[in-house]
Amino acid sequence: EVQLVESGGGLVQPGGSLRLSCAASGFTFSNYWMNWVRQAPGKGLEWVANIKDDGSDKYYVDSVRGRFTISRDNAKNSLYLQLNSLRAEDTAVYYCARPGRLPWDAFEIWGQGTMVTVSS
Amino acid sequence: DIQMTQSPSTLSASVGDRVTITCRASQSISNWLAWYQQKPGKAPKLLIYKASSLQSGVPSRFSGSGSGTEFALTISSLQPDDFATYYCQQYNNYYTFGQGTKLEIK
Repeated sequence: EVQLVESGGGLVQPGGSLRLSCAASGFTFSNYWMNWVRQAPGKGLEWVANIKDDGSDKYYVDSVRGRFTISRDNAKNSLYLQLNSLRAEDTAVYYCARPGRLPWDAFEIWGQGTMVTVSS
Repeated sequence: DIQMTQSPSTLSASVGDRVTITCRASQSISNWLAWYQQKPGKAPKLLIYKASSLQSGVPSRFSGSGSGTEFALTISSLQPDDFATYYCQQYNNYYTFGQGTKLEIK
């Protein structure tokens, strides 16, 4: 079964850091670009970042560039998102998502999400 | 940046109705458009990709149309399971989602 499972969310103070993980199974992880998407409580979806299949290229939405870092470990079939200098507006459910075979493609597979709450 | 605008924001309909949700891009995105369904507390589910291609396993009552800047998602005969929030997404230049359309039971 193709599956993505996120972990690492929690409550963090403004200015703090957190590292999210996404464990992939059921497909050849190293063949796919991977993404993070977030959803603030009661709000819509926002693409956050993606990373090339071999990890050599990374792209970010403007609001997180310089604060968040996407990475991957193909040997461990895992995707990561390092969140630094967190702000209240970063509070959201964070999903990892796998596109189709194209680098920039619709998201065929989603994890269940992990909640990040930034609050003092 | 490409902006995506969905309408309406909320749609009230009954089981059996035919409904259409529209999505407008701020510039041409060819046919690089997807539609997702999301239910409360769940991850989004891909319904349509490349504007009009039905994702495997999705019922044929869902269809997509359009190209360039104007797109539509149509549900031909609403079923109880279809009441949810729907998002369009462009993937022509990075990724941008529409603000969502909540489909409610009338």
